[in-house]
Order: sequence, then structure tokens, then C-alpha cells
Amino acid sequence: EDQVTQSPEALRLQEGESSSLNCSYTVSGLRGLFWYRQDPGKGPEFLFTLYSAGEEKEKERLKATLTKKESFLHITAPKPEDSATYLCAVQAASGNTPLVFGKGTRLSVIA
Amino acid sequence: EAGVAQSPRYKIIEKRQSVAFWCNPISGHATLYWYQQILGQGPKLLIQFQNNGVVDDSQLPKDRFSAERLKGVDSTLKIQPAKLEDSAVYLCASSFRQGNTIYFGEGSWLTVV
Repeated sequence: EDQVTQSPEALRLQEGESSSLNCSYTVSGLRGLFWYRQDPGKGPEFLFTLYSAGEEKEKERLKATLTKKESFLHITAPKPEDSATYLCAVQAASGNTPLVFGKGTRLSVIA
Repeated sequence: EAGVAQSPRYKIIEKRQSVAFWCNPISGHATLYWYQQILGQGPKLLIQFQNNGVVDDSQLPKDRFSAERLKGVDSTLKIQPAKLEDSAVYLCASSFRQGNTIYFGEGSWLTVV
């Protein structure tokens, strides 16, 4: 069974204090690993898709990396507007499998 | 480009009542999904449509939940009768085709009392 575990559950940072969020996964052949951002009362907003180990993608203060067992979302010099829940999801390569989501990491950035 | 539209945004009903949610996907997207997200959890797929056909409904509690996408565009998700544990956000999402990036709507928040 495909599984996604995200850590930590919650993270509190001072503005400018860089850190990383972890997403560990088990999947029978990876088609893609997805990162979403979810603000309170909103639907998930797509950030990145990673397809193979060693791949990296960047967007503003965020950089996502992928290994064969986990992905990291690095946040450099965060600002209060980066506060949100960050969701990781995987999709298996076999057949028409749905995205399997982790529970997310709630990030709070304090000014 | 308009995103995924959902309505209503919020609904409070009593247990054993019925409720229906509507979704309009991004124009041109053939694949439509309904997810359930319970507070503190990640979204869980309920049903996936490809055009107007069901691809995966293995996680849909079919004794009380139903969904349709009659003309391959809009979709409705119905719950009847509702239980307390159905309190959740119901997220509609769409993708150009299976395997492409999935884009979510704002969600429909259901509280069953």
C-alpha cells in the first residue's frame, strides 16, 4: 500500500529562519511526487511536481528535492506570508492510481 | 484562466438530512476528482471521472454517497443520509487528463450536527 509520512506535524519559525520539511514515501514505482500549499479555508494550491531522484525545483523561497525514499521542501528566509499547511502527495506509476496525500506540515512564520 | 468552481462553500445540516455539492472544472479538463478532507488530515479520493465515466470509486461509501458527471463537464456529489462523521471539506479537482497535474477548488465545508 502506498504511504506518505510528513514531518514535523507543525513547525514554528522566526522570519528569516530557514528550515526544511520532510516527506517520506513508499510506493510501488513512482510516477510523480507533488507538493501543495493549503491556506486556512482554501483548497490545496499546486507548487511542484518531481519525477525522479535527484530532481530539484525552485519557486521564490521554496526549493523541492527528491530522493528514492523522501522529498524535502526547503524554505529559505521565510516570511509570514509563507505560513500555511504544506501537503505532499505521491502517485504510483502502475495503472490509474490516485494521489495519496500525507497529513501535511503546518508552518507558522512569526515576524 | 478560471479555476475549479465549487458551491456551496459552507453547509450545516442535521444528521440524516441530505446535501448536494456542485463542481465546475477548469475548461478542457477531462478528468474530475472528488476528495474528502477531514480536519488535520490530507485529502482522500472519493471518486474519479474521466469525461462522464467513473474511473475509480473504490473509496466512495456507496450506501450514502453518490456522484455524477452526466455531460462530462459539471459534477454533483450527494450525501444521503448524512452522518456526523461526514463533517469535512469536500474538494473538487480536475486535470487535463489522467496523470497530469491536479488543480483543486476552494472546497465545500460540511458540518453535520
